Amino acid sequence: DAGVTQSPTHLIKTRGQQVTLRCSPKSGHDTVSWYQQALGQGPQFIFQYYEEEERQRGNFPDRFSGHQFPNYSSELNVNALLLGDSALYLCASSLEAGGLNTEAFFGQGTRLTVV
Amino acid sequence: GNSVTQMEGPVTLSEEAFLTINCTYTATGYPSLFWYVQYPGEGLQLLLKATKADDKGSNKGFEATYRKETTSFHLEKGSVQVSDSAVYFCALSDWDDKIIFGKGTRLHILP
Repeated sequence: DAGVTQSPTHLIKTRGQQVTLRCSPKSGHDTVSWYQQALGQGPQFIFQYYEEEERQRGNFPDRFSGHQFPNYSSELNVNALLLGDSALYLCASSLEAGGLNTEAFFGQGTRLTVV
Repeated sequence: GNSVTQMEGPVTLSEEAFLTINCTYTATGYPSLFWYVQYPGEGLQLLLKATKADDKGSNKGFEATYRKETTSFHLEKGSVQVSDSAVYFCALSDWDDKIIFGKGTRLHILP
């Protein structure tokens, strides 16, 4: 089992550009959540996807958007990048079971640097 | 809203020392509580969890007990090793499955 895989591992973008990060969930998982971890901070919840819909969202601007595909993989898109968007972006997957989610498994993250 | 507060680091200990990392939480409901560990260059790994009051989570010699009366979930280990050097995050998850993390505590273990 490959676990949660994210790509790319590192990325450098210029202010104002757009970026797409990708996540493949652990086999058998159907729910994907995205987190932003700034340097020296704990991860902050961005949003969660289930059945190809955004189920809940954290306190992030509309520049952050996402998508979930029928195979449960997911993308995180960030438009009009700011220097402050530089962070480690973590994807977590879990299984929705009877209204509750099982343990979340995290990927190794994508390190985004905005210059 | 829900929040997690944990002791600031870095924490530096000698090998075989006793470890405590304090964590307190604020929640309106009855959250599940977690400790995650992040080794250098890696993602987050679940270390242990507790889902209700008085539950004790344990793994790899680490323990934490869910104390509802003090809203705490302190992490302890009786004898740390160099390989335990990492960043430790206390976290909670409520009915909405969103995980709320503390800021993390960096632990250095000296041989």
